[in-house]
Amino acid sequence: NAGVTQTPKFRILKIGQSMTLQCTQDMNHNYMYWYRQDPGMGLKLIYYSVGAGITDKGEVPNGYNVSRSTTEDFPLRLELAAPSQTSVYFCASRDGQARPQHFGDGTRLSIL
Amino acid sequence: DQQVKQNSPSLSVQEGRISILNCDYTNSMFDYFLWYKKYPAEGPTFLISISSIKDKNEDGRFTVFLNKSAKHLSLHIVPSQPGDSAVYFCAARETGANNLFFGTGTRLTVIP
Repeated sequence: NAGVTQTPKFRILKIGQSMTLQCTQDMNHNYMYWYRQDPGMGLKLIYYSVGAGITDKGEVPNGYNVSRSTTEDFPLRLELAAPSQTSVYFCASRDGQARPQHFGDGTRLSIL
Repeated sequence: DQQVKQNSPSLSVQEGRISILNCDYTNSMFDYFLWYKKYPAEGPTFLISISSIKDKNEDGRFTVFLNKSAKHLSLHIVPSQPGDSAVYFCAARETGANNLFFGTGTRLTVIP
């Protein structure tokens, strides 16, 4: 059982480039989330989805886009990479309302 | 505006002794609290949770205490083991909300 899988694990981008961070889960969870963690800080919610076709903004959505065409996949898109987006990105999923979130191992992204 | 605060960035404890990690929150609407444990280069792993209708929840060596009037919760680990060395994040959520607010984490080192 793979759980939540994120790819790539590491990536270096140049300012202005775009990329998609991939996230897939094999637990048939309806809820999926994207967080970023900056050094010395807690995780902050970027976007979330409560089911296929439904997405909503979190605390820090600016500069990102998401889509949820299937239950399994929840990709995060950076259109014009900026140095402020250098961070570690975590994807998570959960089952019901009172259930904890399960996290992937993260994508470390540096923008130079 | 940090709604969940972990004021101790680090804590060192001898193996076999008790570890106490603290967390404070400012939002009185929070009613579900979680502790996550994180090893380097891995995603956070769920440890234990507590609902606001309880003041204590135990799971093996881990106990979480909630003091609603003080808006404070703590995680007790007894006895502490070297494998417990990790960063511990406190998180909180309102009923029905999707946004999970995280503290900045406490790095626990258990000395053999």
